[in-house]
Amino acid sequence: DVVLTQSPLSLSVTLGQPASISCRSSQSLVHSDGNTYLNWFHQRPGQSPRRLIYKVSNRDSGVPDRFSGSGSGSDFTLKISRVEAEDVGLYYCLQGGHWPYTFGQGTKLEIK
Amino acid sequence: EVQLVESGGGLVQPGRSVRLSCVASGFKFDDYVMHWVRQAPGKGLECVSSITPRSDTFGYADSVKGRFTISRDNAKRSLYLQMSSLRTEDTALYYCVKDAPNGSIDYWGQGTLVTVSS
Repeated sequence: DVVLTQSPLSLSVTLGQPASISCRSSQSLVHSDGNTYLNWFHQRPGQSPRRLIYKVSNRDSGVPDRFSGSGSGSDFTLKISRVEAEDVGLYYCLQGGHWPYTFGQGTKLEIK
Repeated sequence: EVQLVESGGGLVQPGRSVRLSCVASGFKFDDYVMHWVRQAPGKGLECVSSITPRSDTFGYADSVKGRFTISRDNAKRSLYLQMSSLRTEDTALYYCVKDAPNGSIDYWGQGTLVTVSS
């Protein structure tokens, strides 16, 4: 199975400051069809996860543009340009190119 | 509006079985791969099983292989997870999840809690 390793596992950020989460894969996530199926999710306490980013860098509808995804091959990053209070919670990367789909361990974002 | 409603969770003894169900609405169910994703208390997410629209391909995490069986009934717009030989480490919130056409998942249910304890 593809192993995704996130870092850091915990992040404490001042409101208005940037944040960055890394997701590294045990193998290249470039699919045989040429696409890279790396996604990012946000989970608030007590809620189901919500997708933010799909195929590395595509923001879902309604996701603020302060969120951006980048990367290639086996190295990916989620960036928040200016952290807001509603951004607290857990962030997970997910690879959807190989079965079973696998998630990173999660990164907890809190406000300093 | 896409809705996924899980049921069937509860308290079950180690070694026993339980069957989870998920009823889907708001999309063409028989066009999509479906998944079960679980989250143990205070832990991360694990995709435990997946099934293609025509039930011709199944996938299982190593942690549940040989013990869990995924199935679906497209006429009833329903997804199932038969869980056998349950262990305490299977205690988790189990989510029914819809696949997205771009190598992703896009909709989640609210989850059903399975607690394995004597």
